Amino acid sequence: DGGITQSPKYLFRKEGQNVTLSCEQNLNHDAMYWYRQDPGQGLRLIYYSHIVNDFQKGDIAEGYSVSREKKESFPLTVTSAQKNPTAFYLCASSPRDRGSGTGELFFGEGSRLTVL
Amino acid sequence: AQRVTQPEKLLSVFKGAPVELKCNYSYSGSPELFWYVQYSRQRLQLLLRHISRESIKGFTADLNKGETSFHLKKPFAQEEDSAMYYCALSGIKAAGNKLTFGGGTRVLVKP
Repeated sequence: DGGITQSPKYLFRKEGQNVTLSCEQNLNHDAMYWYRQDPGQGLRLIYYSHIVNDFQKGDIAEGYSVSREKKESFPLTVTSAQKNPTAFYLCASSPRDRGSGTGELFFGEGSRLTVL
Repeated sequence: AQRVTQPEKLLSVFKGAPVELKCNYSYSGSPELFWYVQYSRQRLQLLLRHISRESIKGFTADLNKGETSFHLKKPFAQEEDSAMYYCALSGIKAAGNKLTFGGGTRVLVKP
């Protein structure tokens, strides 16, 4: 079954703890993205990666970190430095180049993080 | 900087009535615009893109560069159209498929 898998779906953590959200894809896509979804604010880009071992900050990268050691995986760590970490996190992937794709992003089901 | 604005947070219409979701953008170059939809308990997915000039599920959207708008329209709304809709913009080609999303509009189609 091809697609993007995010885990866990729900996560509760105490304030001050780091937490890592998993994102795996078997679509053979080069590019992967992390978005944060908040009510009324839409989706905001946290980090993105167009190729293995390379990633770029998005619009709201502060307090987050990522790694891209394998093409299939793009985990996101929400650190204790993130001031408002409670949110819904969406991972997505796409072919790297606009010319080889349609501009379409393929999304996972999301992970809801609640910091107590 | 690129920005996408969806002024309506909620649109409530009756079945069979027309529905129009507004989307305005700011971008200095030539953008590519998209509409994404999230139905209840489903993943966010692409609905349509302006370069395809296609109608999907009865929805159409026209890019108006003069007004910097990409409004989504459907002449006769159906109950299954109830969902969250996001307008998105892709700008600089070097950034690949990185998208900037609007705040979203929730559509509720009443029977």
